[in-house]
Amino acid sequence: NAGVTQTPKFRILKIGQSMTLQCTQDMNHNYMYWYRQDPGMGLKLIYYSVGAGITDKGEVPNGYNVSRSTTEDFPLRLELAAPSQTSVYFCASSYSRNTEAFFGQGTRLTVV
Amino acid sequence: DQQVKQNSPSLSVQEGRISILNCDYTNSMFDYFLWYKKYPAEGPTFLISISSIKDKNEDGRFTVFLNKSAKHLSLHIVPSQPGDSAVYFCAASDTSQGNLIFGKGTKLSVKP
Repeated sequence: NAGVTQTPKFRILKIGQSMTLQCTQDMNHNYMYWYRQDPGMGLKLIYYSVGAGITDKGEVPNGYNVSRSTTEDFPLRLELAAPSQTSVYFCASSYSRNTEAFFGQGTRLTVV
Repeated sequence: DQQVKQNSPSLSVQEGRISILNCDYTNSMFDYFLWYKKYPAEGPTFLISISSIKDKNEDGRFTVFLNKSAKHLSLHIVPSQPGDSAVYFCAASDTSQGNLIFGKGTKLSVKP
């Protein structure tokens, strides 16, 4: 049972570089989410999707983009990385809005 | 503007005693609430949830209470065990959207 898989686990980016954080789930879940966790700040919602082809902004979407072309995948794109984007990123999925969300192991990103 | 608030960053409890973690919310459209547990370097894992049509939900040692009029929920752990030591996050889902909003978390330490 893979669940929610995130790659890479760790990454160091230089300021101005771009990258894509990958997230895939094998549970046929409709809902998918991207969060970032800064120290002492809890989990902040970046973007979410309620199904393939549908995405919506969360609490902190600036500097990020997402797409949802399939049910399984929900990549998060960082354009022009900035030090403020140094964080741990978590992807999650759930079957519906009122069911538990399952989380991936996280991606630790450092922008220098 | 925090919609989900966990005002206690940390809580220390003796093994065998009750742990009570609190959470307040501001958005009256929230109708589904969840508690997650997180260990360092891991993704959050689901613990227990409650719908707004209920005021209590139990699962073994864990009970969640919801007071809609006060926009307050709490998680009770009885009896507390050292293995319960982790960060606990409260989360809420908005009935009009597909988002899932988290609080900042409370670090629980259960001492033997």
